[in-house]
Amino acid sequence: QKEVEQNSGPLSVPEGAIASLNCTYSDRGSQSFFWYRQYSGKSPELIMFIYSNGDKEDGRFTAQLNKASQYVSLLIRDSQPSDSATYLCAVNWNAGNMLTFGGGTRLMVKP
Amino acid sequence: SQTIHQWPATLVQPVGSPLSLECTVEGTSNPNLYWYRQAAGRGLQLLFYSVGIGQISSEVPQNLSASRPQDRQFILSSKKLLLSDSGFYLCASETSGADTQYFGPGTRLTVL
Repeated sequence: QKEVEQNSGPLSVPEGAIASLNCTYSDRGSQSFFWYRQYSGKSPELIMFIYSNGDKEDGRFTAQLNKASQYVSLLIRDSQPSDSATYLCAVNWNAGNMLTFGGGTRLMVKP
Repeated sequence: SQTIHQWPATLVQPVGSPLSLECTVEGTSNPNLYWYRQAAGRGLQLLFYSVGIGQISSEVPQNLSASRPQDRQFILSSKKLLLSDSGFYLCASETSGADTQYFGPGTRLTVL
């Protein structure tokens, strides 16, 4: 069974620090990887996607993919209290376009 | 860019009652559409997906069904709700070939 694992947290970081969120997946054939942010009571919002090994940067966010080790991570630089949310990792197994989601990591950024 | 509408936003229903949730999409044609459910404090569970009108695939057998009567309309239904059907129901849309899903605002369903 294909699985996506995330530490549920909460991960607590001080304002201005780097938050590091990690995700591991079980299938080496996975093709594409997504990070969503979900504020309490709201729907998930796409932050970033990554297809190739290495880093992809978008503003304060950096996604890192290591297919050999089967993990993908999200770094948030200069964390702000407004970044406090649950971050969902999703993986496309290349079986159609279906995504499998991890359970999410709750991030708390303290002023 | 596409816009996804869902209604109602919230719903409280008694056990055994029927259900109809609607999702409509603007700004794209022939999208792939998805229904997910998120139970309280849990991850997202894929329920149904559709690649075109009348084409529905079910991921989890249960007392729910889905239909796609129009290109940009996706409906989730039940004839008799169970307590376990409570949750946050999310519709997602993906432009065909784009490999990126976007979510609507969701419907919060409470079954009492």
